[in-house]
Amino acid sequence: DTAVSQTPKYLVTQMGNDKSIKCEQNLGHDTMYWYKQDSKKFLKIMFSYNNKELIINETVPNRFSPKSPDKAHLNLHINSLELGDSAVYFCASSPSGGYQETQYFGPGTRLLVL
Amino acid sequence: RKEVEQDPGPFNVPEGATVAFNCTYSNSASQSFFWYRQDCRKEPKLLMSVYSSGNEDGRFTAQLNRASQYISLLIRDSKLSDSATYLCVVNPGGGFKTIFGAGTRLFVKA
Repeated sequence: DTAVSQTPKYLVTQMGNDKSIKCEQNLGHDTMYWYKQDSKKFLKIMFSYNNKELIINETVPNRFSPKSPDKAHLNLHINSLELGDSAVYFCASSPSGGYQETQYFGPGTRLLVL
Repeated sequence: RKEVEQDPGPFNVPEGATVAFNCTYSNSASQSFFWYRQDCRKEPKLLMSVYSSGNEDGRFTAQLNRASQYISLLIRDSKLSDSATYLCVVNPGGGFKTIFGAGTRLFVKA
């Protein structure tokens, strides 16, 4: 059984389009995250939700809007896609967001903006 | 200075070798430390947490030096399957933000 799943795995789109990435976890965790891993392999946190409430919002353009309909789902919508948005986007979850907790990652969504 | 810094490598070692990676962090108040492993085109997965007293898991040993603000990972008797990128991860505490290093690439050759 997949613990953290993301769809789609690959996304190729044109500049200016709007796209969404979905994430679901079946671990019963309260906290979910979105990370961006760029071409230099830096993994940077974008957002974190705890029990559907936004708790971390890093300096991310407001074209990126996360939505958490329930604590098992955290989706990411991106408006007006730009070339620089090309990256791998990872969703992750942890039990309650505590600083000593392991984070469990989804397989990633590879986004290419042309 | 970056919050978490690692030597990107790559480290090329023969099977059976011992290899060590260091990672430095800038926030002296950091609370928790981890090593994650990321295989090519895969997601990061926890390798081990790093405790103040140091800890060992089979061929892997992690150490924390708070005075010098670095953590280390030692891999003994390297296997081909150890080839991966090793990510140093630090949580400054006081919130939920976790900081990942850019990773150290390891190639183990037969």
